[in-house]
Amino acid sequence: GNSVTQMEGPVTLSEEAFLTINCTYTATGYPSLFWYVQYPGEGLQLLLKATKADDKGSNKGFEATYRKETTSFHLEKGSVQVSDSAVYFCALSAPSNYQLIWGAGTKLIIKP
Amino acid sequence: NAGVTQTPKFRVLKTGQSMTLLCAQDMNHEYMYWYRQDPGMGLRLIHYSVGEGTTAKGEVPDGYNVSRLKKQNFLLGLESAAPSQTSVYFCASSPGQEGDTQYFGPGTRLTVL
Repeated sequence: GNSVTQMEGPVTLSEEAFLTINCTYTATGYPSLFWYVQYPGEGLQLLLKATKADDKGSNKGFEATYRKETTSFHLEKGSVQVSDSAVYFCALSAPSNYQLIWGAGTKLIIKP
Repeated sequence: NAGVTQTPKFRVLKTGQSMTLLCAQDMNHEYMYWYRQDPGMGLRLIHYSVGEGTTAKGEVPDGYNVSRLKKQNFLLGLESAAPSQTSVYFCASSPGQEGDTQYFGPGTRLTVL
């Protein structure tokens, strides 16, 4: 079946460090891939997405590239800020399916 | 444009009590979803709806019922609350096409004593 695996947290970094949060998936066909972010005390909001292989989603300095050959959608940011502290969720939407399959979430802590 | 709203924001129940959570969206979305979020378990789908008057079970439907009488509203009911239903509940909606973004409400924190 379809599944999403993302690295366990928490991930703790210093401000201005480089960020990578790994996400790999299992799915038949070509799913759409998403990163959502949840700031403390809030609901989830879309950070970025990619709908086909080799697409790169980007937003707020974050990027992720849809890699079909490695079934991955790793989230990266070149220089993190304290305000990036949040929980990040990787998710997929399988072809012809409107439901999202969620990873467990990775808590990111950025220290000044 | 309020997006997705949820009522109430917080609630404390005693075991066996009932309650209804209300979700409303003003984006004319076809699809709506109810999730629960528990520590270390990510999001789990409880029920969903693909249009007015339709509902379907998700991953963890037991102990919950839903109704979608109007397109903009999706209600989640707990008939007899149990401590295991202590969680944060999120509603979401999406237009209804493949690869759609889901838009989330702010959540309802429910505690069952």
